[in-house]
Amino acid sequence: AQSVAQPEDQVNVAEGNPLTVKCTYSVSGNPYLFWYVQYPNRGLQFLLKYITGDNLVKGSYGFEAEFNKSQTSFHLKKPSALVSDSALYFCAVKGGGFKTIFGAGTRLFVKA
Amino acid sequence: EAGVVQSPRYKIIEKKQPVAFWCNPISGHNTLYWYRQNLGQGPELLIRYENEEAVDDSQLPKDRFSAERLKGVDSTLKIQPAELGDSAVYLCASSSPGGNEQFFGPGTRLTVL
Repeated sequence: AQSVAQPEDQVNVAEGNPLTVKCTYSVSGNPYLFWYVQYPNRGLQFLLKYITGDNLVKGSYGFEAEFNKSQTSFHLKKPSALVSDSALYFCAVKGGGFKTIFGAGTRLFVKA
Repeated sequence: EAGVVQSPRYKIIEKKQPVAFWCNPISGHNTLYWYRQNLGQGPELLIRYENEEAVDDSQLPKDRFSAERLKGVDSTLKIQPAELGDSAVYLCASSSPGGNEQFFGPGTRLTVL
């Protein structure tokens, strides 16, 4: 069975500092991996995806994520955090059954 | 391009009452999803449609939940009767043919009293 783990309920970072939001997954076959962001009272917004190719993928708003097959991880990163990045971030994995499983989410708090 | 539209945005009902949610996906998106998101958790798939066919409804509590997508465009999710534990945000999403990322609507926040 496929699963996604986001080990941190909350990540706190100062504005201008780099940020990392962690995600590990378990899936049979080659994974399709995604990051979504959710702002208050809004639906999820797609940030980026890994399907194949380069392990480092770039997405919206300056975010990027690194696929690491050996560690089954797909951590979200940004070189310089903004206060406006404060939101709830979800990692998701899609396996061979075409079903997308979402993690429980990590709340990112960027302090000015 | 218009996004995924959902209505209503908020709904408060008493337990045992029926409730329905409506979703209109992005034009041209043949895949439609209904998710339930409980507080502090990620979305959980209830049902997935490919055009008008429900291809994955394994997580849909069929004793009280039903869904339809008759013409392969908009969709309705119904709960009858609602229970206290059904309080959650119900999200609709859609994706394009061959697309992998999903586009979400704003959700319907259901409160069952």
